[in-house]
Amino acid sequence: DGGITQSPKYLFRKEGQNVTLSCEQNLNHDAMYWYRQDPGQGLRLIYYSQIVNDFQKGDIAEGYSVSREKKESFPLTVTSAQKNPTAFYLCASSIGGLYGSPKNIQYFGAGTRLSVL
Amino acid sequence: DAKTTQPPSMDCAEGRAANLPCNHSTISGNEYVYWYRQIHSQGPQYIIHGLKNNETNEMASLIITEDRKSSTLILPHATLRDTAVYYCIVRVGHGVAGANNLFFGTGTRLTVIP
Repeated sequence: DGGITQSPKYLFRKEGQNVTLSCEQNLNHDAMYWYRQDPGQGLRLIYYSQIVNDFQKGDIAEGYSVSREKKESFPLTVTSAQKNPTAFYLCASSIGGLYGSPKNIQYFGAGTRLSVL
Repeated sequence: DAKTTQPPSMDCAEGRAANLPCNHSTISGNEYVYWYRQIHSQGPQYIIHGLKNNETNEMASLIITEDRKSSTLILPHATLRDTAVYYCIVRVGHGVAGANNLFFGTGTRLTVIP
């Protein structure tokens, strides 16, 4: 079954703790993305990666970190510097391609819901 | 960067066509229009995209006006499972070659009524 797997489905963070959200894809996509969604709001881009060993900050990168050591994996760490981490986190991937390319269809995982204890 | 405007909510009777409008008056010539939907507490699902011509697939039809300033997503026979938030997106780049970022606004909450 091809797709994007996010784990865990639910995660709780204690004060001052770093937590890592997993995102794995077996679609052979070059590009991967992390979004944050707050209740009743749209998605906001945290980080994205166009290729292995490279990633770029999105609109709300502060308090988050990522790595892209393997093509199929793009974990997101929510650090203690992120003071309001409670949200729904979504990972996506796409084939990649040039600006304006119709290959930019993004496929999403089922999400991780993070709460603070 | 082109932004989109959608009504916050719409209702549609089950079995009828759902027509979801979107305004994107500042769209530039090489920007595509994408539609996604998000069923409650799930990840967004791609529906359809287009540049100039009308498009149809197994899920929906996309009608883009000739001036490209607006579009309409049509679900021909809405079912209860089509109840979701529908996002109209014009692809936004961050000025970096290969950047493929999508701007998700708040979308239209479609409720299909039995």
